[in-house]
Amino acid sequence: GAGVSQSPRYKVAKRGQDVALRCDPISGHVSLFWYQQALGQGPEFLTYFQNEAQLDKSGLPSDRFFAERPEGSVSTLKIQRTQQEDSAVYLCASSWPGSGNTIYFGEGSWLTVV
Amino acid sequence: AQSVTQLDSHVSVSEGTPVLLRCNYSSSYSPSLFWYVQHPNKGLQLLLKYTSAATLVKGINGFEAEFKKSETSFHLTKPSAHMSDAAEYFCVVSHASGGSYIPTFGRGTSLIVHP
Repeated sequence: GAGVSQSPRYKVAKRGQDVALRCDPISGHVSLFWYQQALGQGPEFLTYFQNEAQLDKSGLPSDRFFAERPEGSVSTLKIQRTQQEDSAVYLCASSWPGSGNTIYFGEGSWLTVV
Repeated sequence: AQSVTQLDSHVSVSEGTPVLLRCNYSSSYSPSLFWYVQHPNKGLQLLLKYTSAATLVKGINGFEAEFKKSETSFHLTKPSAHMSDAAEYFCVVSHASGGSYIPTFGRGTSLIVHP
């Protein structure tokens, strides 16, 4: 596609529910990143994929957070047993080796846990 | 380890006056540096990037930034602010991890433009 696409754009979850956020990167982009942006803060790195391999997951805040990219294209970020502190915008970004380290962001999935 | 510090959480200017948004970085390697802009309820848009070519980098919408290694700075400037420039601006440094570059964001500077 023309850009990074994320869905849903907005999600309200009750505390304790599981949520799944989808990211469809730019076609051909090898690298895929997930970031968490709390209100009034800068994006914080969660995890990174190169093709289907998850090479860095050091930013995932707890074992309730899980990300996958089984076929090296679409990625899903799953949050189990959501808590209020999980309320944030979840940003997906992608890049390719020839982009000079530039990453391109989607518009984000806004998660509110009530 | 890589980090970036945006020295001002808010910058307020009048329309038509110069803009200066300050950013300092720390990096163990030759860094790649970026500025992104985020308008309310919108995604992050790349303004400009530095990747070890010219130290003065020109971006979109009249913005530019100068890489100063001796000062470890990458400040963003614009000669004349426009109302549409009001947004959140993020300075970003990239570091290598597993064959790719993981961007680390600053906390952001909110640019307020008064008529």
